[in-house]
Amino acid sequence: GQSLEQPSEVTAVEGAIVQINCTYQTSGFYGLSWYQQHDGGAPTFLSYNGLDGLEETGRFSSFLSRSDSYGYLLLQELQMKDSASYFCAGSPSPGGATNKLIFGTGTLLAVQP
Amino acid sequence: NAGVMQNPRHLVRRRGQEARLRCSPMKGHSHVYWYRQLPEEGLKFMVYLQKENIIDESGMPKERFSAEFPKEGPSILRIQQVVRGDSAAYFCASSPLMRAETQYFGPGTRLLVL
Repeated sequence: GQSLEQPSEVTAVEGAIVQINCTYQTSGFYGLSWYQQHDGGAPTFLSYNGLDGLEETGRFSSFLSRSDSYGYLLLQELQMKDSASYFCAGSPSPGGATNKLIFGTGTLLAVQP
Repeated sequence: NAGVMQNPRHLVRRRGQEARLRCSPMKGHSHVYWYRQLPEEGLKFMVYLQKENIIDESGMPKERFSAEFPKEGPSILRIQQVVRGDSAAYFCASSPLMRAETQYFGPGTRLLVL
């Protein structure tokens, strides 16, 4: 089956750097997206990797290695407002028969002062 | 430019009643997705629709659940004869064309079945 595993919780201090890992167990994913969700609200798109390597978007960076079935989200200069749940999501090939996202188990990030 | 709209935001139903959840995608988006989230869990894909077409319903329970996206009006997720296990947050997302990697989510509908 298709599954994406993440650590359930991560704690870090304000100003630090934190990495949230995502490993997956299927060959059916083309790209990996990352979403942020505050207190059960609307998930917000953060980053997408359609190619292997590092993508940088401000304080957030995301990495993908298809050969290792592994990706991560890197958050720099942590702020209190970054406390939230973070989900990786696998997506199929562009132009394929479906467009669904398969979400990971989620990581609850707690930023402490 | 308004985002994805969902209503109602909260819905309480008794066992056996019907629940109708509505979703209006972002302007210019013709692709709609429904996901379900149980407490403390991730989002689970349910169904993917384009205008007047169901593209992928592989995540939909075979009974009691149906979805539509008519030519005019919002997408509707319908749950008949609700049971307590249907209590969850239901999120709708939309995207332009078939760009799956960037889906824009609505605020969700919290369904509580008593």
